[in-house]
Amino acid sequence: DTAVSQTPKYLVTQMGNDKSIKCEQNLGHDTMYWYKQDSKKFLKIMFSYNNKELIINETVPNRFSPKSPDKAHLNLHINSLELGDSAVYFCASSQAALRGAKNIQYFGAGTRLSVL
Amino acid sequence: AQKITQTQPGMFVQEKEAVTLDCTYDTSDQSYGLFWYKQPSSGEMIFLIYQGSYDEQNATEGRYSLNFQKARKSANLVISASQLGDSAMYFCAMREGTGNQFYFGTGTSLTVIP
Repeated sequence: DTAVSQTPKYLVTQMGNDKSIKCEQNLGHDTMYWYKQDSKKFLKIMFSYNNKELIINETVPNRFSPKSPDKAHLNLHINSLELGDSAVYFCASSQAALRGAKNIQYFGAGTRLSVL
Repeated sequence: AQKITQTQPGMFVQEKEAVTLDCTYDTSDQSYGLFWYKQPSSGEMIFLIYQGSYDEQNATEGRYSLNFQKARKSANLVISASQLGDSAMYFCAMREGTGNQFYFGTGTSLTVIP
């Protein structure tokens, strides 16, 4: 069983469309994340949820909206897609932060989004 | 200031040789965790090794070891006996105290030469 699974793996769409990426983790973690990795491989945090509560909300266009129906799921919805949204989007999860604890972050396989 | 700095955009190593990938970090927290991830060309992010700030011993996982120098705020990854399959991007990351955010470096692209 995949620990962090995200779908779809590839997403090709036209400018202006709306799309969603889904993420699920079966690790029992409290915290989930969305990252964007651009063509230069820079990993940029976008959002993080802890037990369905938004805790990290970096400066991203409000066309991006995360939704966490429960602590095992964190979906990303993108409205009015633009060329610059083309990137690889990673979902990740970790246990909630505890001082001194290992709290490894595990990643999904990534979703390669291409906006034409 | 950057939380994580990786100064080597690209590195080459001969197969079976050891290689060190550099990472320095910046934090005022006494408690923090340091992580290394591998991203092969297939794209997934694979956790390699962890070092806690209070750990007295350097972390080791198989051929991977972390050279942790707290006073210098460095957490270099050492890969021994390099294999062709080690060719990948390598990211250093840090998590501070009880914070939920992970800070990533810009990565080092490692190429293992046969």
